[in-house]
Amino acid sequence: EDQVTQSPEALRLQEGESSSLNCSYTVSGLRGLFWYRQDPGKGPEFLFTLYSAGEEKEKERLKATLTKKESFLHITAPKPEDSATYLCAVQSASGSRLTFGEGTQLTVNP
Amino acid sequence: EPEVTQTPSHQVTQMGQEVILRCVPISNHLYFYWYRQILGQKVEFLVSFYNNEISEKSEIFDDQFSVERPDGSNFTLKIRSTKLEDSAMYFCASRWGQGETGELFFGEGSRLTVL
Repeated sequence: EDQVTQSPEALRLQEGESSSLNCSYTVSGLRGLFWYRQDPGKGPEFLFTLYSAGEEKEKERLKATLTKKESFLHITAPKPEDSATYLCAVQSASGSRLTFGEGTQLTVNP
Repeated sequence: EPEVTQTPSHQVTQMGQEVILRCVPISNHLYFYWYRQILGQKVEFLVSFYNNEISEKSEIFDDQFSVERPDGSNFTLKIRSTKLEDSAMYFCASRWGQGETGELFFGEGSRLTVL
């Protein structure tokens, strides 16, 4: 059974204070690892898909990296508008479903 | 920018009633999905749909649930006899293909409240 564990559950940063969110996973053959942003009462907003260990992707202040056991979402010099819940999900080679983690709730204070 | 659209945004229903949630996936996408999120819990997979048939379903997707693509643009989720525990946010999602990999885009969700 695919499993995704995200840490920390919640993270409070000051504006400009860089940090990283962790996503540990177990999957029977990784087809893709996904990062989403979710605002309260909204649907997940696609950020990145990573496919193989060593891969990195960047978008504005966000950078996602992938190893064989975990992924990190690095947030550089965050702004208050980066406050959201960040979700990690995996898709195994054997199916079409994404298995999500519980998410990390990020708050960036001005 | 193309997006997945869902209606209604919020539906309140009585236990035992039938509910249909509607989705318009992104126009050139081939794979369609329903997920749900109970308040305060993680997003859970319900069903995937490709080439006019279900390709995968979860344990949650029992006989009370059905999906349909009645025309070239809509994708629906029907719950035949709602239960209190069906109260959740239901998300439709779609992707273009690439062997069922690649970016997966979600709609804003339909909140279902069962009384």
